[in-house]
Amino acid sequence: DAGVTQSPTHLIKTRGQQVTLRCSPKSGHDTVSWYQQALGQGPQFIFQYYEEEERQRGNFPDRFSGHQFPNYSSELNVNALLLGDSALYLCASSFGTGSYEQYFGPGTRLTVT
Amino acid sequence: AQTVTQSQPEMSVQEAETVTLSCTYDTSESDYYLFWYKQPPSRQMILVIRQEAYKQQNATENRFSVNFQKAAKSFSLKISDSQLGDAAMYFCAYGSGGGADGLTFGKGTHLIIQP
Repeated sequence: DAGVTQSPTHLIKTRGQQVTLRCSPKSGHDTVSWYQQALGQGPQFIFQYYEEEERQRGNFPDRFSGHQFPNYSSELNVNALLLGDSALYLCASSFGTGSYEQYFGPGTRLTVT
Repeated sequence: AQTVTQSQPEMSVQEAETVTLSCTYDTSESDYYLFWYKQPPSRQMILVIRQEAYKQQNATENRFSVNFQKAAKSFSLKISDSQLGDAAMYFCAYGSGGGADGLTFGKGTHLIIQP
């Protein structure tokens, strides 16, 4: 039973560039949430996707956007990268609209120089 | 907005001893869930234990148990018989809104296990 997978593992980008991170949910899950974890901090909720639509969004600017595909996989896009976007980006999956229990992937480490 | 506070940046315990990690939260909701996640150096967040707010009985998972004090908005994690593999960052998390609002995490406690 495959767990949550994310790609790439590490990424280095330059300020002003755009980046796309990818996530495949755990088998049987249909809901994907994205979190940003800055160094030394707890994860912060970016947004959640269900049925290919954004259900809820945390306190993040419009530079952060996402997409969910019919197979439930998801992408996180960040435009006009800032140095402060350097962080570990975690994807979590769950089942349905009422589940609090989220399973996390290993994350993508993004470094913006 | 809900907040989660972990007041212990770092804790150290001898192998085989018991340690308690503290967490407090602030919410006006009546229906919510609380979680403890473990994040080892591999970075992957692993669910340790969960507690539903409507349940009075404290959750237990093998060596891990919680002390849930709803009125005090306190949710501590007790690890018994600590093992070297327990060394990690531990995050307390809060969830409400039917799961759509995502989880709110504390800043974490770094647990060190002394052999």
